[in-house]
Amino acid sequence: SQQGEEDPQALSIQEGENATMNCSYKTSINNLQWYRQNSGRGLVHLILIRSNEREKHSGRLRVTLDTSKKSSSLLITASRAADTASYFCATDAPGNTGKLIFGQGTTLQVKP
Amino acid sequence: SQTIHQWPATLVQPVGSPLSLECTVEGTSNPNLYWYRQAAGRGLQLLFYSVGIGQISSEVPQNLSASRPQDRQFILSSKKLLLSDSGFYLCAWSRPTAGNEKLFFGSGTQLSVL
Repeated sequence: SQQGEEDPQALSIQEGENATMNCSYKTSINNLQWYRQNSGRGLVHLILIRSNEREKHSGRLRVTLDTSKKSSSLLITASRAADTASYFCATDAPGNTGKLIFGQGTTLQVKP
Repeated sequence: SQTIHQWPATLVQPVGSPLSLECTVEGTSNPNLYWYRQAAGRGLQLLFYSVGIGQISSEVPQNLSASRPQDRQFILSSKKLLLSDSGFYLCAWSRPTAGNEKLFFGSGTQLSVL
């Protein structure tokens, strides 16, 4: 089944450094989304990038999309301890069904 | 503004007991509704989704069922829980527009089946 796969599974950095997470998927998409999840909580939507877009920014977040490679990256610049969380990419299932398929996530730890 | 309520936050149930998790959305009409399950340290598995009252699509064969008795109410049920039903259950909604827009998640229910 179509699924986003994040890489790396876990990432540990120092506060102030940049964090880059990657996502690969298998089939064509309409859009790709990134979500954040604090431990034991629901997911929060961060950013959506459409298939005809190559890059998108939101505050300290930068998302790129390469549809030829079926991959996306999420860059968090100048990381803070509060950025510690799990990050998931999600792609839409074929057929405009409204369903999203999530990857396994990247767990980010930002050390103060 | 729209809000989503999911309860309870935690639940411990014995094997073989029934289950009912409820999710309600406020501030919007005819939302798409979803139930996801998340195993510890893993990604989300889509269990059910609904585009309208009484319209439920099941994604994987399992011991669970879902119902949508009202426009903004989504219920996840089981007649007899299994150990493998343990996990973090998340309800979510999205706007009823064409295309796959962002999801708004509830705070989740941690279910432990013992």
